[in-house]
Amino acid sequence: GAVVSQHPSWVICKSGTSVKIECRSLDFQATTMFWYRQFPKQSLMLMATSNEGSKATYEQGVEKDKFLINHASLTLSTLTVTSAHPEDSSFYICSAISWNKGTGQYEQYFGPGTRLTVT
Amino acid sequence: AQTVTQSQPEMSVQEAETVTLSCTYDTSESDYYLFWYKQPPSRQMILVIRQEAYKQQNATENRFSVNFQKAAKSFSLKISDSQLGDAAMYFCAYRSDTSGTYKYIFGTGTRLKVLA
Repeated sequence: GAVVSQHPSWVICKSGTSVKIECRSLDFQATTMFWYRQFPKQSLMLMATSNEGSKATYEQGVEKDKFLINHASLTLSTLTVTSAHPEDSSFYICSAISWNKGTGQYEQYFGPGTRLTVT
Repeated sequence: AQTVTQSQPEMSVQEAETVTLSCTYDTSESDYYLFWYKQPPSRQMILVIRQEAYKQQNATENRFSVNFQKAAKSFSLKISDSQLGDAAMYFCAYRSDTSGTYKYIFGTGTRLKVLA
């Protein structure tokens, strides 16, 4: 249980175009999802918190108009990189928060990530 | 603001030996959670172990255990009987539920190499 998928796993796009990345919780509902960015050999940097039915909360320094986040349902959040440029090339990871009955705690479940290459 | 520091960019351990990865954090909160995550070459994040700050007893999961020193704000991970499959990036993470946001703060990571 508690599987998070991301689509696509790898995408190449041309500079100036937009690309959408989907994050789905497959067998549970997630009111909160996170979007992270990870550069090679670096840590995960939280970009934004995606809340179902409301606007995303962006971390300081993250451009809201460039990284559009939509959390339209309890199982789907999307990240759209608008007018992508080579410096946006990175590994993007989503995660979903869900209550785990077994542990009696909120758990974070990660997607497998999406590698974005902008040429 | 909370911070998480991992001072060891890379560690090596001989197969079957024991290795300890260090993590320190800074917070003014009293109620929080600490985690160790493993990121293998596939880059899928895997939860290794969790520690609730209100628990004095150190968490243990099979070959993985932690040394949680709340006063010193230290949270190290000990891997016993290291296996080749343990080779990965290990991230220490902090979470406070105080604000209800469940945001995680990650350290910079430690790359663990396991030598056969």
